[in-house]
Amino acid sequence: AQSVTQPDIHITVSEGASLELRCNYSYGATPYLFWYVQSPGQGLQLLLKYFSGDTLVQGIKGFEAEFKRSQSSFNLRKPSVHWSDAAEYFCAAVSGNTPLVFGKGTRLSVIA
Amino acid sequence: GAGVSQSPRYKVAKRGQDVALRCDPISGHVSLFWYQQALGQGPEFLTYFQNEAQLDKSGLPSDRFFAERPEGSVSTLKIQRTQQEDSAVYLCASSSKTASYEQYFGPGTRLTVT
Repeated sequence: AQSVTQPDIHITVSEGASLELRCNYSYGATPYLFWYVQSPGQGLQLLLKYFSGDTLVQGIKGFEAEFKRSQSSFNLRKPSVHWSDAAEYFCAAVSGNTPLVFGKGTRLSVIA
Repeated sequence: GAGVSQSPRYKVAKRGQDVALRCDPISGHVSLFWYQQALGQGPEFLTYFQNEAQLDKSGLPSDRFFAERPEGSVSTLKIQRTQQEDSAVYLCASSSKTASYEQYFGPGTRLTVT
């Protein structure tokens, strides 16, 4: 079955430190991949997407993600975290006519 | 408005009551999706419309759930005889014909069944 796994439920990072959130997918063929962010009481905002081509994709708010086919991964990174980045982050994938499948999310806390 | 809007933002229903949740997609977006997000979980797909046609309803958890989009714009998700397990945030998303995989989400409706 198609699935998206986010191994880390909760991550705490100091403000100014770098961040990497992990995402692995299980699909027959390489799906389209997405990262969304959800702040409390808010909907999901698209940070970035990967369809094909360059495996390092840039998104909004200084985020980037790297697609690695050999590892079935699409990890999200940011070089320097700001307190306003504290939120829930969701990795998602879609392939063909199947619905968008989300991971369970990673909650990011930022400490001073 | 510029984004997807949903109403009400919060709904409290007594068990057994019927509820109706509304979604206004981005103007011109042909595709509309409903998701259910339980506490501490990622969103899970419920159903999908292309214009007024409901093309996929495989995620609806029971026949108590019903969705419609009669004129290809606004959509309503109806839950009949609500149960406690229906408590969740219901998210609506829309996408355009030219970027069908890029979904834009509304703020959601938080449903609490007591």
